[in-house]
Amino acid sequence: NAGVTQTPKFQVLKTGQSMTLQCAQDMNHNSMYWYRQDPGMGLRLIYYSASEGTTDKGEVPNGYNVSRLNKREFSLRLESAAPSQTSVYFCASSVQRENYGYTFGSGTRLTVV
Amino acid sequence: QKEVEQNSGPLSVPEGAIASLNCTYSDRVSQSFFWYRQYSGKSPELIMSIYSNGDKEDGRFTAQLNKASQYVSLLIRDSQPSDSATYLCAVNWGNQFYFGTGTSLTVIP
Repeated sequence: NAGVTQTPKFQVLKTGQSMTLQCAQDMNHNSMYWYRQDPGMGLRLIYYSASEGTTDKGEVPNGYNVSRLNKREFSLRLESAAPSQTSVYFCASSVQRENYGYTFGSGTRLTVV
Repeated sequence: QKEVEQNSGPLSVPEGAIASLNCTYSDRVSQSFFWYRQYSGKSPELIMSIYSNGDKEDGRFTAQLNKASQYVSLLIRDSQPSDSATYLCAVNWGNQFYFGTGTSLTVIP
């Protein structure tokens, strides 16, 4: 049982380049999320998808776009990477029932130079 | 503004002692509360959830919730060096979870 799978694990981009972070879950969860984690800032929500076909902005959406491709997959796209987007990105999924938490992917460590 | 606050630490306890981690939150509406453990360089993993006032025990871990005081805590009994990690408090509001910045715990052998 793989849980939540993120690719790639590491990436270095030059300023202005674009890339897509991939996330897939095999737990039949309805909701999926993208977070970034920075030292001293904790986990901050970028975008989320409460169910297939819907996406909503979180706390820090600027510079990102998302696609909920199907129930399993939720991708995060950086159209023009900036050094401020250097971070660790986590995808998560949940059942969205009371008392159920997230399952996180292993993370993508992104550096923008 | 929904906020979740934790002492960043670091918190150091000797092996075998009780570690106490605290979290406060800003909005009384929340119903569900969670503690995650994150080892350095790894992703957060869920260790406890609680949604009723009082205590909830799971092995060496006890979560305590006081909704009137907007306070949730995690006690780790008989702390082990393997418990050394950052502990994240998370609060559920609607479709979103809001995280504290985490408390770094070191258990000294």
